[in-house]
Amino acid sequence: DTAVSQTPKYLVTQMGNDKSIKCEQNLGHDTMYWYKQDSKKFLKIMFSYNNKELIINETVPNRFSPKSPDKAHLNLHINSLELGDSAVYFCASSQDPGQPQHFGDGTRLSIL
Amino acid sequence: AQKITQTQPGMFVQEKEAVTLDCTYDTSDPSYGLFWYKQPSSGEMIFLIYQGSYDQQNATEGRYSLNFQKARKSANLVISASQLGDSAMYFCAMRDLASGGSYIPTFGRGTSLIVHP
Repeated sequence: DTAVSQTPKYLVTQMGNDKSIKCEQNLGHDTMYWYKQDSKKFLKIMFSYNNKELIINETVPNRFSPKSPDKAHLNLHINSLELGDSAVYFCASSQDPGQPQHFGDGTRLSIL
Repeated sequence: AQKITQTQPGMFVQEKEAVTLDCTYDTSDPSYGLFWYKQPSSGEMIFLIYQGSYDQQNATEGRYSLNFQKARKSANLVISASQLGDSAMYFCAMRDLASGGSYIPTFGRGTSLIVHP
C-alpha cells in the first residue's frame, strides 16, 4: 500500500562506517530522488535518476553513491561516515522530472 | 542567490481563519513550476499544490490555493479555514531548467505555521 518506502527509518552508527539506505516506489514513476534535510530543516537535492539514469548530481562528496537497479528502486550508499552526515535523508519519486514528488518517510541518520 | 525565498520563519493563525504563506522565486527559465509541500511534526513530506508558469488560473486544491503573481515572481499559499492539523512546516519549491538540461528542484527554507484553538 505504501507509495514510497525507505529503510531503515533510523540509523545510528559510528564515524567511519559504511551504510546503505534503500528506497522503493510502487507508483510506476520514472524519476527518483535523494534529499538531505539538515537540523535547520533545509532540504537539499542530492541525486536524481530518470529511468535508471543519473540526471542530477549536486555537489555531493563522492563518499555518497546512489544506485538504481531498476526504475522502482534507488539506494544510497555512504562510505566513511562523518559527523556532518547526520541528517534526515528523504527518498522521493515523480512521474517524470519536474513533476510533483511523493516522499518516503525519511531515514534519520545519527553518527556517533 | 537564493532561488526560493520564504521570508516568514514562523506564522501564527487562529483556528478557522485564513492565512497566507509567502514565497518569492527567481528564475530565467520561462517554463518553470512551483510547488508547496507540508511537513508535520511527524516528519513526512506531503505534496499540496502545483502551479505551472503557463497556467492561466491560480491553482486550488480544497482549502489550499496558490496566489500566483508572475510579474512579481511570487507564489503565496493561502490556507482557508485553518484547522489545528494544519500546524506544520510549509515549504515552497520550484523546478526550473538547469544549465545541464535537467529540471532541478529547489526548496525554500520553510515557514513554521502554528494554528491556535
